[in-house]
Amino acid sequence: NAGVTQTPKFRVLKTGQSMTLLCAQDMNHEYMYWYRQDPGMGLRLIHYSVGEGTTAKGEVPDGYNVSRLKKQNFLLGLESAAPSQTSVYFCASSYGVGELYEQYFGPGTRLTVT
Amino acid sequence: AQSVTQPDIHITVSEGASLELRCNYSYGATPYLFWYVQSPGQGLQLLLKYFSGDTLVQGIKGFEAEFKRSQSSFNLRKPSVHWSDAAEYFCAVGAANAGKSTFGDGTTLTVKP
Repeated sequence: NAGVTQTPKFRVLKTGQSMTLLCAQDMNHEYMYWYRQDPGMGLRLIHYSVGEGTTAKGEVPDGYNVSRLKKQNFLLGLESAAPSQTSVYFCASSYGVGELYEQYFGPGTRLTVT
Repeated sequence: AQSVTQPDIHITVSEGASLELRCNYSYGATPYLFWYVQSPGQGLQLLLKYFSGDTLVQGIKGFEAEFKRSQSSFNLRKPSVHWSDAAEYFCAVGAANAGKSTFGDGTTLTVKP
């Protein structure tokens, strides 16, 4: 049982390049989330999904797109990377709401945009 | 809108000393509250959570937290800190019906030998 995995672990992009971050979970969780973590700013929610085929905007969605075509995968896309998107990105998943609402986090992807 | 404040950016304690990390929240209804720990270079791991019932909750690694509605607080405590507890700690408040949380900015704990 791998839990939540993220690919890649590190990436360096030039301004204007695009890329996709992949998150996979093997716990049959309904909910999945993408966060970014910047020094002194905690975790900020980018987008989330409450089930296969659904997505919703979080706190800081601009410049990102997501897709949840399969229940176990949640993809985060950057169409035209900017230096302001340099950050550590975390994916998380949870089984549901209420007392099932405990988030399991992946190890993170460190992205640098030059 | 919900919000979380962790007043202490950085705390240093000696090994074996007691620890209290503060968390204040703002939320219109009964909150779902969480404490997570993040070791360097790692993702976050849940320490404990409060949904309802007993206001003193026990977590992993010897941590506990107390929910105080009158003070809008959910402070994390440990009676005797170990060097391995050095990490960053995040408090979060959940909007359970929407399935998402708001995180505080974190408190970095340094443990002196």
